[in-house]
Amino acid sequence: DTAVSQTPKYLVTQMGNDKSIKCEQNLGHDTMYWYKQDSKKFLKIMFSYNNKELIINETVPNRFSPKSPDKAHLNLHINSLELGDSAVYFCASSQVPTSGGSYEQYFGPGTRLTVT
Amino acid sequence: TQLLEQSPQFLSIQEGENLTVYCNSSSVFSSLQWYRQEPGEGPVLLVTVVTGGEVKKLKRLTFQFGDARKDSSLHITAAQPGDTGLYLCAGTVSGTYKYIFGTGTRLKVLA
Repeated sequence: DTAVSQTPKYLVTQMGNDKSIKCEQNLGHDTMYWYKQDSKKFLKIMFSYNNKELIINETVPNRFSPKSPDKAHLNLHINSLELGDSAVYFCASSQVPTSGGSYEQYFGPGTRLTVT
Repeated sequence: TQLLEQSPQFLSIQEGENLTVYCNSSSVFSSLQWYRQEPGEGPVLLVTVVTGGEVKKLKRLTFQFGDARKDSSLHITAAQPGDTGLYLCAGTVSGTYKYIFGTGTRLKVLA
């Protein structure tokens, strides 16, 4: 069984279009995340939701809007796509932190977005 | 701004050699994780260290968390081609759900 799944795996689109990436986790986790990995493989957090509530919102253009219909799903909608949005986007999930502040994240397989 | 610097950035070694990857920061983290990522896949968690000075072993991999919880190292003994991949450290910012990922180390082990 896939723990964290994302669709689509690949997304090629033109500048100016609007697109969505979907993420689902079946681990029963309360917290979900979106990360962007650039061409240099640097992984940067974008958003995080805990029980459908937005808890992390990094400096991300407001063309990016996350939506969490329930705690098992976190979708990412991107408006007016730009060339610089090309990257691999990863969804992840975790339980709430333990008393030691440790919590383990489980990542999806990624969505490679190419904007032409 | 919290930053986790990894060194080296790239490493190409022969099978059987030993290596160490470092993850350094000026910030204190409540825990630190190491991940390995293979091409076309998401990062996969290898280990979590929580206590300053903690050492964990996973077969040929040894992980250490610095005493001050600002740095960590990953040592691989007798590297094998299957160890090839991108190694990422990630620190948990105390009191938040936020991870800060390191800059990554790309390891290639040649047969």
